[in-house]
Amino acid sequence: GAGVSQSPSNKVTEKGKDVELRCDPISGHTALYWYRQSLGQGLEFLIYFQGNSAPDKSGLPSDRFSAERTGGSVSTLTIQRTQQEDSAVYLCASSPRTPREQFFGPGTRLTVL
Amino acid sequence: RKEVEQDPGPFNVPEGATVAFNCTYSNSASQSFFWYRQDCRKEPKLLMSVYSSGNEDGRFTAQLNRASQYISLLIRDSKLSDSATYLCVVPQDAAGGTSYGKLTFGQGTILTVHP
Repeated sequence: GAGVSQSPSNKVTEKGKDVELRCDPISGHTALYWYRQSLGQGLEFLIYFQGNSAPDKSGLPSDRFSAERTGGSVSTLTIQRTQQEDSAVYLCASSPRTPREQFFGPGTRLTVL
Repeated sequence: RKEVEQDPGPFNVPEGATVAFNCTYSNSASQSFFWYRQDCRKEPKLLMSVYSSGNEDGRFTAQLNRASQYISLLIRDSKLSDSATYLCVVPQDAAGGTSYGKLTFGQGTILTVHP
């Protein structure tokens, strides 16, 4: 069956621009997670959704980061006024329920020039 | 103690060797644990889940020691294809089994298996 998909796969943007990253979870998975991974680093938790609700937003690095999920399915992660330190791979994962095995998408590689 | 801490590695072993990784965690309420593997420039993929004292799957054995709050992963008869980064993952459960949904990933241990 279809796995988690993310788009775009690569995004190059200029400092100060806004970007929107999209995640399509596996159908029926109620939990959805966003992480980011900088080069050579571990995964940094950003936010997770249970349905359309985000019980834990503690990982968002700053108020420039926001995320939403609609219809219990697609999620978007928005970064406003991007900075160079935002450059990383942004990974999305979904799970049938929390906190169980997660299935990751291929990630979006964001480069801020 | 960090939320999740792993052997820093890297581990370089010959084919056929047995190698073990350790992971310690700070949240004594965590109930289930996971090992993921991540290949270079790829997304993490689930390797094993650990819900009780341990789990075995072919050449891979995961063990859990709740008293000492550590999890281990043992790989026997290493293959070249086992070369990857191994991530220890701990859910941040609360006492009483309440799940907050947040998972904390360790920094990962790099394994390189050479001929």
